[in-house]
Amino acid sequence: GDSVTQMEGPVTLSEEAFLTINCTYTATGYPSLFWYVQYPGEGLQLLLKATKADDKGSNKGFEATYRKETTSFHLEKGSVQVSDSAVYFCALRADSWGKLQFGAGTQVVVTP
Amino acid sequence: EAGVAQSPRYKIIEKRQSVAFWCNPISGHATLYWYQQILGQGPKLLIQFQNNGVVDDSQLPKDRFSAERLKGVDSTLKIQPAKLEDSAVYLCASSLESATDTQYFGPGTRLTVL
Repeated sequence: GDSVTQMEGPVTLSEEAFLTINCTYTATGYPSLFWYVQYPGEGLQLLLKATKADDKGSNKGFEATYRKETTSFHLEKGSVQVSDSAVYFCALRADSWGKLQFGAGTQVVVTP
Repeated sequence: EAGVAQSPRYKIIEKRQSVAFWCNPISGHATLYWYQQILGQGPKLLIQFQNNGVVDDSQLPKDRFSAERLKGVDSTLKIQPAKLEDSAVYLCASSLESATDTQYFGPGTRLTVL
C-alpha cells in the first residue's frame, strides 16, 4: 500500500541554520505530495505542495521538489527562525477521492 | 472566513464509556474528513463524507465507531464503548470538493481514555 517515511525528530537547530527534513514515499501511480505544519496548540496547515514530477512547491521560505526518480520530497529552508518551531508532516494523495496518507511527523525546535 | 470548528477541545473518559465529537466544516465545503492522530504518529483517515454520503470508511472500526453528517454540513463522530487505545487527537478537515482541493484542518479534540 501507499506509505510515507520521514526522518525522525526532534531536530534541534540554532536560528538562521539550514533545515532539511527528508521524506520518501511509496505509491502506485503518480501521487500529489504535501508538507503540512502543526504549530503548538494549532491544527494542521498546508505549507506547500507539488502535483507532478519535478514540480517545486514553496511557501514562507520553505521549498520541496518532487523527485520521481528517488521517490522523495525533502523539505528545506535556508535560514530558520524560532517561529518555525513546529511539527512537520509529509503526506501523499494517491486516490481519486483525496485521501491523505501522512508520515509520522518530524518535530523541529529552533533555539535563539 | 471562519475555519473548521471542533468541540470539545479536550475530553477525558473511562474505558467502556461513550463519547461524541462535533465538527463544523468551512461553509460551502462538500467534503468532510475525520482523522485519528495517535501520539507520535501521523493522522490516519477514519471516514470521508462527500456531502452527506460516505465515500471511504475502510479504516473506521465499525464495531465501536460511528459517524454521521446529517444535511451535508456538520458531522458527529462517536465512540461506544471506548478502549484505552482510542486515546488520540481526532481531527476534522474539510475541502471544497475532494481530490484536488486543499484540506483545511480544525484544531482537533484530544481524547484521553483512562
